[in-house]
Amino acid sequence: SYVLTQPPSVSVAPGQTARITCGGNNIGSKSVHWYQQKPGQAPVLVVYDDSDRPSGIPERFSGSNSGNTATLTISRVEAGDEADYYCQVWDSSSDHHVVFGGGTKLTVL
Amino acid sequence: EVQLVESGGGLVQPGGSLRLSCAASGFTFSSYWMSWVRQAPGKGLEWVANIKQDGSEKYYVDSVKGRFTISRDNAKNSLYLQMNSLRAEDTAVYYCARGSRGPAATGWFDPWGQGTLVTVSS
Repeated sequence: SYVLTQPPSVSVAPGQTARITCGGNNIGSKSVHWYQQKPGQAPVLVVYDDSDRPSGIPERFSGSNSGNTATLTISRVEAGDEADYYCQVWDSSSDHHVVFGGGTKLTVL
Repeated sequence: EVQLVESGGGLVQPGGSLRLSCAASGFTFSSYWMSWVRQAPGKGLEWVANIKQDGSEKYYVDSVKGRFTISRDNAKNSLYLQMNSLRAEDTAVYYCARGSRGPAATGWFDPWGQGTLVTVSS
């Protein structure tokens, strides 16, 4: 089955740029979606189809995807961005399964 | 406003059954794939099952095949998850999530419900 690998944690100071990676075999050939989850809350979609933003999501959130790595970039990080972030793809090779990465805890120092 | 509201969670003994419901509003429910995604305490997200707009296709994660059944009632704008032969490892918050509008299950989940907690314990 397809595996997505994320770093367990990323730390960044306010105002700096955070980059959260999502690794997978030839992930550049798939569409990657990203979710933000704050403690005690449901996940929220922040980037879809590699780099598109849903309405209401700040332009500070952006995404890219190439080769074996997809990246969620958060510019000018704010304290309110502290959360868990998950990448997700649809794996056509495994009976229509949806695959999530293990999640990355973003800490704002 | 697009909204998903889950219900039906609770405490159940190992081997028991539970039926979760998800009430949808604010969009044309019958036009979308729908999914259940769960999150064990302190763990990451795990997709559980999804169902096509007309209910003709259903897919499950291997760990719940033969035990869980996803279904929908488009007339009632509702999604269901019948969970049988429950195990301790099924303990999680279960989220209902809206999927894609196309003929395939590809795509993202937006929005998600607030979740309902299922605890399997004696």
